[in-house]
Amino acid sequence: KNEVEQSPQNLTAQEGEFITINCSYSVGISALHWLQQHPGGGIVSLFMLSSGKKKHGRLIATINIQEKHSSLHITASHPRDSAVYICAVTGNQFYFGTGTSLTVIP
Amino acid sequence: DTAVSQTPKYLVTQMGNDKSIKCEQNLGHDTMYWYKQDSKKFLKIMFSYNNKELIINETVPNRFSPKSPDKAHLNLHINSLELGDSAVYFCASTGGERPNSPLHFGNGTRLTVT
Repeated sequence: KNEVEQSPQNLTAQEGEFITINCSYSVGISALHWLQQHPGGGIVSLFMLSSGKKKHGRLIATINIQEKHSSLHITASHPRDSAVYICAVTGNQFYFGTGTSLTVIP
Repeated sequence: DTAVSQTPKYLVTQMGNDKSIKCEQNLGHDTMYWYKQDSKKFLKIMFSYNNKELIINETVPNRFSPKSPDKAHLNLHINSLELGDSAVYFCASTGGERPNSPLHFGNGTRLTVT
């Protein structure tokens, strides 16, 4: 069993929809990262958080340490949000989720 | 003005060869990493390295070795390449000794072993 589980694996949404991607982890962590990988392959760090909530533009990330769970929300989704979103946690080492492939249809 | 740069972007080679992938960061970061992304897009850490400590993922074959000539560089050497080594390799860096600061990734090196 993977130390980091993401759901859903694949997600298709209409432009404008509110999107939620979930991440659950089973190890002790010092931080959780949300990463974005576009079809071109490059990986960008969206958020790093260890508690509470962070917001950047239309993206919101939350974490519940007690429940070992984090969510990434995208408001007013746009086709350019189409990418793979990866959850990663750091403790003694890095653990990655398997990613959520998001497609936003115009 | 790339923060984390990897070369080459594509690498095609035959089984049994030895190859290197270079990584450089100009962010002044203390810690650098190598990750492997397989055909299913699953990322897995291979190495983390700062100027004090090399941490190796025990599942990584010893044909893979990181070499750090200085704090800004962490190169990946691969000996006796195998078909299963085909993947995309990402270099990344963070600002602290512990992996609890934002990651900065290179653009990846797509390795194809024939």
